[in-house]
Amino acid sequence: QKEVEQNSGPLSVPEGAIASLNCTYSDRVSQSFFWYRQYSGKSPELIMSIYSNGDKEDGRFTAQLNKASQYVSLLIRDSQPSDSATYLCAVNMYSGAGSYQLTFGKGTKLSVIP
Amino acid sequence: DVKVTQSSRYLVKRTGEKVFLECVQDMDHENMFWYRQDPGLGLRLIYFSYDVKMKEKGDIPEGYSVSREKKERFSLILESASTNQTSMYLCASSLRLGGGLSYNEQFFGPGTRLTVL
Repeated sequence: QKEVEQNSGPLSVPEGAIASLNCTYSDRVSQSFFWYRQYSGKSPELIMSIYSNGDKEDGRFTAQLNKASQYVSLLIRDSQPSDSATYLCAVNMYSGAGSYQLTFGKGTKLSVIP
Repeated sequence: DVKVTQSSRYLVKRTGEKVFLECVQDMDHENMFWYRQDPGLGLRLIYFSYDVKMKEKGDIPEGYSVSREKKERFSLILESASTNQTSMYLCASSLRLGGGLSYNEQFFGPGTRLTVL
């Protein structure tokens, strides 16, 4: 069973703090990893992609990937109330016959307190 | 920017009705997907298509069918709507699927919240 696991939260952080969101996945051969942000009642929006071990930074967001530990995380620096949303981790997993399928975690709800 | 549009934001139908949900993308993506999203269950893949007239079952295809007559358009059909199909339906598209190093970034439409009474 291909799985992507996230802590459902809610994760509460004060405004200006660093929010740390974590994700583990079951498929050792996965090659690409994504973070989506979803506001209540809206559709998921892609905010970060990462393909290699290490860190990838984009503005206040940093994605971290450790393939050996099958672990990917998202750090949000200087958290703002507008970052309050559910964050979905998605992993491209091999689904057989040479094809891949994007598997989503159930999401972590982040609440940034002013 | 990738743009994925869905025909309705909100839809209310009666049990037994035939329901069509339409999705259009403007970025010439090969792959298109239909998901439903329910509280506590996350995103679940219903069907996907990697080419015109091609379709593949996802994790929960029962009670649904799809049609892809043109590259930019992917339709989800509920042949006889039931109350357990009340959900948020999300369409997505991506540039490629599969391959040795497959990126598979998916871009979502705004969603259709379907209520079946």
